[in-house]
Amino acid sequence: SQQGEEDPQALSIQEGENATMNCSYKTSINNLQWYRQNSGRGLVHLILIRSNEREKHSGRLRVTLDTSKKSSSLLITASRAADTASYFCATHNTGKLIFGQGTTLQVKP
Amino acid sequence: NAGVTQTPKFRVLKTGQSMTLLCAQDMNHEYMYWYRQDPGMGLRLIHYSVGEGTTAKGEVPDGYNVSRLKKQNFLLGLESAAPSQTSVYFCASSLTLVGRTEAFFGQGTRLTVV
Repeated sequence: SQQGEEDPQALSIQEGENATMNCSYKTSINNLQWYRQNSGRGLVHLILIRSNEREKHSGRLRVTLDTSKKSSSLLITASRAADTASYFCATHNTGKLIFGQGTTLQVKP
Repeated sequence: NAGVTQTPKFRVLKTGQSMTLLCAQDMNHEYMYWYRQDPGMGLRLIHYSVGEGTTAKGEVPDGYNVSRLKKQNFLLGLESAAPSQTSVYFCASSLTLVGRTEAFFGQGTRLTVV
């Protein structure tokens, strides 16, 4: 079974609103990563948070990690239509990089 | 700098046929991965490699074999294709350094088995 599970599976918001996606995982990790996939394309890395970090920022992205709850969240602030994509969390441990099922985000203009 | 290149991009196979998907990376990455992506299933890890000459099973390895004879190449083989292997296949590579293991992906191979 997959290591990470995202919630919600689908999210639809208006441009300018914030989008929050959550990820839960099952086993210990070295780090947790978030990726974006535009329709029909490969995945693109967004941000990586190490197991000893609690929060990380990159532009309009904010990621939190709670290892005690085995969960992470990705916040996209001031969303744009171009943010429409699928977002995946991935956990890394001893060479394996395991992905969740993803959250499909639609940002309406 | 091409990054991660997958060939072919599209392929239609008949049940029982065999084929090899090639993944090449020019970033001198140690780790390489093969995933399949099916609707509603996210990406599932088929096999991975932590270095030249090494391979390991992922979440869904049955029906697939891999080889990593050269550091830059990771081959995925289907010996006897089945309709259940219809999917989009993605290859990825990454560095080994802790905290630097972000993966770079190829553009995918869309495989249909009829």
